[in-house]
Amino acid sequence: NAGVTQTPKFQVLKTGQSMTLQCAQDMNHNSMYWYRQDPGMGLRLIYYSASEGTTDKGEVPNGYNVSRLNKREFSLRLESAAPSQTSVYFCASSAYRGGSDTQYFGPGTRLTVL
Amino acid sequence: AQSVAQPEDQVNVAEGNPLTVKCTYSVSGNPYLFWYVQYPNRGLQFLLKYITGDNLVKGSYGFEAEFNKSQTSFHLKKPSALVSDSALYFCAVRVDYGQNFVFGPGTRLSVLP
Repeated sequence: NAGVTQTPKFQVLKTGQSMTLQCAQDMNHNSMYWYRQDPGMGLRLIYYSASEGTTDKGEVPNGYNVSRLNKREFSLRLESAAPSQTSVYFCASSAYRGGSDTQYFGPGTRLTVL
Repeated sequence: AQSVAQPEDQVNVAEGNPLTVKCTYSVSGNPYLFWYVQYPNRGLQFLLKYITGDNLVKGSYGFEAEFNKSQTSFHLKKPSALVSDSALYFCAVRVDYGQNFVFGPGTRLSVLP
């Protein structure tokens, strides 16, 4: 039982390049999330998927797209990377998008955009 | 709108002393409150949560938190700090089914030997 896994762990991009961050969970969770973490700002929600087949914008969706490929996998795509997207990205999952449901986090992807 | 404040960027405590990491929240409705810990270069790990009932919640690694509705606070505590407790701690709140988490900015805890 690996929990939530993310690839890659590190990535360096040049401005304008594109990339996809991959996330998978093996806990049979319905809901999945992408966050970015910046110093002093906590975690901010980029996109979420309440259930397979649905995706919705979070607090900071501009410059990103997502795909809920199946129940296990939720990917985040940067179409044209910008230096402002330099951050640490975390994927998370929970059984449901319920009030008391605990979210479980992956190890993160550290992205630098030059 | 929901919001979470962690008024201290940094907390320093000597090993063996009690520690407190503060969290206050602002919500409309009854809150669900969570604490997470992040060790260097790792993801967030769940520590404990308050749903309803007993105001004192016990969690992993000897941590506990006290929910105080009148003061809208959910402070994290541990009776005797360990050097290995040094990490970044996040408080989070959610209200109602179908809402997203709101995280505080984090508090860095340093336990000095």
